[in-house]
Amino acid sequence: VQLVQSGSEVKEPGASVKLSCSTSGFIFTSYAMHWVRQAPGQSLEWMGWINAGNGVTKYSQRLQDRVTITRDTSASTAYMELSSLRSEDTAVYYCARSAASLWSFDYWGQGTLVTVSS
Amino acid sequence: DIQLTQSPSFLSASVRDRVTITCRASQGLSSYLAWYQQKPGKAPKLLIYAASTLQSGVPSRFSGSESGTEFTLTISSLQPEDFATYYCQQLKSFPYTFGQGTQLEIK
Repeated sequence: VQLVQSGSEVKEPGASVKLSCSTSGFIFTSYAMHWVRQAPGQSLEWMGWINAGNGVTKYSQRLQDRVTITRDTSASTAYMELSSLRSEDTAVYYCARSAASLWSFDYWGQGTLVTVSS
Repeated sequence: DIQLTQSPSFLSASVRDRVTITCRASQGLSSYLAWYQQKPGKAPKLLIYAASTLQSGVPSRFSGSESGTEFTLTISSLQPEDFATYYCQQLKSFPYTFGQGTQLEIK
C-alpha cells in the first residue's frame, strides 16, 4: 500500500490549491480517502473524505465552503482543492485511507506543505 | 463536535519506563477510537484502533484500553524509538476529531 502526494506549494492569499494523492497496492474503490491537515506546531484537523467507490463526500463544517474532494478511479488518485486561501491555511496536508468499517486511518501519505504568503 | 482531551500534554520519561497517556471524550464513542504516533516531519502512524486492537506490525509493548469515555494508551517499556508525539482520534461521528497531542520526551 502506498499513498504518494504531490509536491509543496506556495500560494498567495485568495488563491486556490489542488493537491493530489496517488495510491497503489490496494483496490482504490473499496476504501474511503480522507484529508487531514496540520498547521505548524499544532494538532491534526480532519478536513473531509470521499468514498472512492461512489464519490460521496463529507466535509468539515468549518471548511465546507472552501474545500472540494474528488477522485479519479482510473488513476486511483484522490484530490483536495482548497479555495480562498488565507495565511491560517499554511499547513502540511495529508491524505489517509480508511476501510468502510472506519475504525482508523491505516495508511497515510507523506504530506504536502502548503505555504500561503504574499 | 466530539471533543477529545489528552493528558498530559507533555511527558518526560526514561527508557524502560512504563507510561500511560489518557484521552477523555466529551461523549460515548462505542470504541471508535484510534491512537497514532507521529515523529517530527513524518506522517502519523496507526498504533491502536477500536480502542484496544493493536495494528499489525506494532510492537506488543503498546496497548490500549477503554473505560466509559476515558481511553488510555500504555507503553509497557519505553524504547528509544518511542519518543514522539501521540494523538487520539475519534471516528464515532463527523468531524473525526483528534486530541491535542501528548509529546513524549526523553528524561
